[in-house]
Amino acid sequence: NAGVTQTPKFRVLKTGQSMTLLCAQDMNHEYMYWYRQDPGMGLRLIHYSVGEGTTAKGEVPDGYNVSRLKKQNFLLGLESAAPSQTSVYFCASSPLGRIQYFGPGTRLTVT
Amino acid sequence: AQRVTQPEKLLSVFKGAPVELKCNYSYSGSPELFWYVQYSRQRLQLLLRHISRESIKGFTADLNKGETSFHLKKPFAQEEDSAMYYCALSTPRGGTYKYIFGTGTRLKVLA
Repeated sequence: NAGVTQTPKFRVLKTGQSMTLLCAQDMNHEYMYWYRQDPGMGLRLIHYSVGEGTTAKGEVPDGYNVSRLKKQNFLLGLESAAPSQTSVYFCASSPLGRIQYFGPGTRLTVT
Repeated sequence: AQRVTQPEKLLSVFKGAPVELKCNYSYSGSPELFWYVQYSRQRLQLLLRHISRESIKGFTADLNKGETSFHLKKPFAQEEDSAMYYCALSTPRGGTYKYIFGTGTRLKVLA
């Protein structure tokens, strides 16, 4: 099992550009999450999903959109990137919303 | 409101010294608490959960409901324990679970 994978690993965007981060899990988990990790701020939840076709806002959803068309995939979109979105993005999945299994992270820089 | 507080951003100890990483939470119900660890440039992974009552890599954590704390302890620190540690709280909410992470404590074990 690959567990939770994230694509891409690194990306540099210019302000105003758009991109999609892909998270995939092969553990048949119902719950999936997107977090951003910033120095001194810990992990902050952006959006999450409790099943295929569902999404919900987390703590810092502004500037991001998500989709969960297939159970195994959770996409995070940035429509118009801003320097404040420079961060490390982690995806996680969970079978029952308790123990979370994390991906390796995507390091995004917006210039 | 539910909250997880990790008061120390950085904790430096010498190899062989005892370690205590503090975690306090606010929640009026029965909490489920976790410690996650992130080694340098790696993904977060579960270290401990309070209901397991086990010792992992020499670490233990006891839930103290009176003091609303879940401190992580190890009697003798090793250099390989150097990492970022996050405390997390999971609470039931409308059939799902809400997950909150603390801001993390960086542990540096000095030779």
